[in-house]
Amino acid sequence: DIQMTQSPSTLSASVGDRVTITCRASQSVSDWLAWYQQKPGKAPKLLIYKASTLQSGVPSRFSGSGFGTEFTLTISTLQPDDFATYYCQQYNSYSDTFGQGTKLEIK
Amino acid sequence: EAQLVESGGGLVKPGGSLRLSCGVSGFTFSDAWMSWVRQAPGEGLEWVGRIKSKTAGETTDYAAPVKGRFTISRDDSKRTVHLQMNSLKTEDTAVYYCTPYHEGSYVYWGQGTLVTVSS
Repeated sequence: DIQMTQSPSTLSASVGDRVTITCRASQSVSDWLAWYQQKPGKAPKLLIYKASTLQSGVPSRFSGSGFGTEFTLTISTLQPDDFATYYCQQYNSYSDTFGQGTKLEIK
Repeated sequence: EAQLVESGGGLVKPGGSLRLSCGVSGFTFSDAWMSWVRQAPGEGLEWVGRIKSKTAGETTDYAAPVKGRFTISRDDSKRTVHLQMNSLKTEDTAVYYCTPYHEGSYVYWGQGTLVTVSS
């Protein structure tokens, strides 16, 4: 199975900061990589799919990049609503895998 | 707007069985590949398995921790997908979500159903 490793596990930042979360795959997943935001007690919300395509309705301050084994999620200007946990997820013909999550905290 | 409603969760003893169901509306279910994803209390998301559409062979794939114990099936006439869970372990305790694929990702989610495996 493909392993997904996110870094950092926890990130402390302030409103207005630019933040980047990294996701590394144990083998190439091409561009089959998605990013989600999850808040406590809620289902995940899709932010980015196919590595860099912004899901409809998601603010443009979110962006994704990468291909193969290394991917990033960037939030250009943190807003109060962005403090949450973020997950990457890969898809392939055999199975999916999620990263372990990155908790974005208020500094 | 797509809607997914999971049901069938509850408390079960280790070694027991449980069958979860997920009823869907708002999209063409028969064309959809459906996955189950779970989240243990305080933990991250874990992919459980998926079933492809009938036109794609209705084949299934499973994560290693559940392979041989869990079975996913679908009933297109009832717009329902099922997760049969046997030989349950305490580590299977989680909220279980069903979700359809979209470009290798998951747009729509239900509210989830809680499965607790405990003696």
